[in-house]
Amino acid sequence: NAGVTQTPKFQVLKTGQSMTLQCAQDMNHEYMSWYRQDPGMGLRLIHYSVGAGITDQGEVPNGYNVSRSTTEDFPLRLLSAAPSQTSVYFCASRPGTSFTQYFGPGTRLTVL
Amino acid sequence: GQNIDQPTEMTATEGAIVQINCTYQTSGFNGLFWYQQHAGEAPTFLSYNVLDGLEEKGRFSSFLSRSKGYSYLLLKELQMKDSASYLCAVREFYNQGGKLIFGQGTELSVKP
Repeated sequence: NAGVTQTPKFQVLKTGQSMTLQCAQDMNHEYMSWYRQDPGMGLRLIHYSVGAGITDQGEVPNGYNVSRSTTEDFPLRLLSAAPSQTSVYFCASRPGTSFTQYFGPGTRLTVL
Repeated sequence: GQNIDQPTEMTATEGAIVQINCTYQTSGFNGLFWYQQHAGEAPTFLSYNVLDGLEEKGRFSSFLSRSKGYSYLLLKELQMKDSASYLCAVREFYNQGGKLIFGQGTELSVKP
């Protein structure tokens, strides 16, 4: 199993550009989440999904959209990038039978 | 609301024991996690406590007191590779799936 994969690893955007961060898992996990990590702030939940077709907002959802059309994929869309969205983004998944989350390697995003 | 506090940084000597504390205030508490995160990498699961008491796993132990809103992670026989950030996270019972709320992390430096 590849586990949780994220692409790209690094990305630089200009203010106002849009892009999609990709996340995929091959463990058939029901639950998937997106976090951002900023210095001194810890990991903060952006959006999460409890299964295909079901998503909900976390702590900091503004400026981000998600969808979950399949169990495997959970893309995060930045509609109009802002410098405040410069961060490291982690995708995570877990099975319905466990509370332990497995994290992807992260995407380092810089918005100029 | 929720609040999780842990020290920002700690320093310890190789071979010693170190205790990293975490205090929390949250509604609907449903378990506490400790994750380890090396610089530039994804968080990896260390331990999960849902009942009061001590959970031991090799050199690492985690303790929980729900009545005091308090947990600690104990690392024994410290090794240089234990230099990392240690994240305390509380799971809240929240609609579907539960949410993980993370503390800002404790940066541990192990010196020779």
